Amino acid sequence: AQKITQTQPGMFVQEKEAVTLDCTYDTSDQSYGLFWYKQPSSGEMIFLIYQGSYDEQNATEGRYSLNFQKARKSANLVISASQLGDSAMYFCAMRGSGNTPLVFGKGTRLSVIA
Amino acid sequence: NAGVTQTPKFQVLKTGQSMTLQCAQDMNHEYMSWYRQDPGMGLRLIHYSVGAGITDQGEVPNGYNVSRSTTEDFPLRLLSAAPSQTSVYFCASSRGPRGGQFFGPGTRLTVL
Repeated sequence: AQKITQTQPGMFVQEKEAVTLDCTYDTSDQSYGLFWYKQPSSGEMIFLIYQGSYDEQNATEGRYSLNFQKARKSANLVISASQLGDSAMYFCAMRGSGNTPLVFGKGTRLSVIA
Repeated sequence: NAGVTQTPKFQVLKTGQSMTLQCAQDMNHEYMSWYRQDPGMGLRLIHYSVGAGITDQGEVPNGYNVSRSTTEDFPLRLLSAAPSQTSVYFCASSRGPRGGQFFGPGTRLTVL
């Protein structure tokens, strides 16, 4: 079974600064995928970034990057140059091998301060 | 493409009533899932399907039924609504195990 842990219920960051949202995971699968989603106050779930367990490079998508440390089983999301529009809930999720569905963490609420 | 659509957007039920939440996707995705989101609990998986005719239970399946007769549709049925089922329900789909999951806009359900 897969498990995702997000230990930061809420975080604050100054506009234009970088912020790291923590995510640790637990799985016995060798092949798995890690995902980050953003949920603004409007409620929709927005896919941000994906990292495969065999990917050698850390994933990047614009201002989002995933700091993947396999030995530590961590997949932290780094947002560079924070913007007011980044204020939202952020969820880390993983999918194991085979036909397993996504398992989500409880989320981190990020607030960007002007 | 419309992506993942869910109906209705809002629903109020009385305890004991039954209803079906509709979910459809037009991306020819194999994987479809239903989640519920409660404050402080993140998203919890109710049921999922890896293809037409195949469904399986997630973390919190009790009180819900699903079926997958076509690739496009994955309805979620509440058999006898209870106040504990008050939640926001999300349907999601993906191409396969490695694909990013696309979410519908959600259904906000209140059971009185």
